[in-house]
Amino acid sequence: DGGITQSPKYLFRKEGQNVTLSCEQNLNHDAMYWYRQDPGQGLRLIYYSQIVNDFQKGDIAEGYSVSREKKESFPLTVTSAQKNPTAFYLCASSSNRGHTDTQYFGPGTRLTVL
Amino acid sequence: GQNIDQPTEMTATEGAIVQINCTYQTSGFNGLFWYQQHAGEAPTFLSYNVLDGLEEKGRFSSFLSRSKGYSYLLLKELQMKDSASYLCAVMDSNYQLIWGAGTKLIIKP
Repeated sequence: DGGITQSPKYLFRKEGQNVTLSCEQNLNHDAMYWYRQDPGQGLRLIYYSQIVNDFQKGDIAEGYSVSREKKESFPLTVTSAQKNPTAFYLCASSSNRGHTDTQYFGPGTRLTVL
Repeated sequence: GQNIDQPTEMTATEGAIVQINCTYQTSGFNGLFWYQQHAGEAPTFLSYNVLDGLEEKGRFSSFLSRSKGYSYLLLKELQMKDSASYLCAVMDSNYQLIWGAGTKLIIKP
């Protein structure tokens, strides 16, 4: 089955620790995205990548880092510099053959900082 | 600035029809998307409109008026499983999605 997987589903972290969220897709999509979702707010773009070995900052990139070494994988690291990291993190991908291609989402990772 | 407005919450009865509105002000327009999101789950794609008019897909229809910066999602023959949040998103001139906060739809028997 083709799809997007994120792991883990729930993640707990102590303040001051870095943590990496996994995102893998087997849809052969070129573009991948990381969003953050907070209660009462729309999804906010953290980082996106349109091709391997290239990525761009979104609206709220501060305190986060990414890599895109493989087409299938786009891990997100939440660093200790992120002031309020507790949120629901969503990874998405699109084929990017046309700019307006639909984004498809993984199941999400809920991060809680203790 | 860019802005997407949707009602925060709506309530409807099983078997009825409900219309969820979305108004937008964005820098450029390259289409409007509707997604459904059940609590704690990922958003799933429902519809895409780039031209004015109504797009029908089974029990769900989506309407767009670009001149008014307005869209609506129409859900017919409501079922309990339609209880979810409905997210409106506009693709701007940079091909980035700008998201509304979502409308939580509560279906009552």
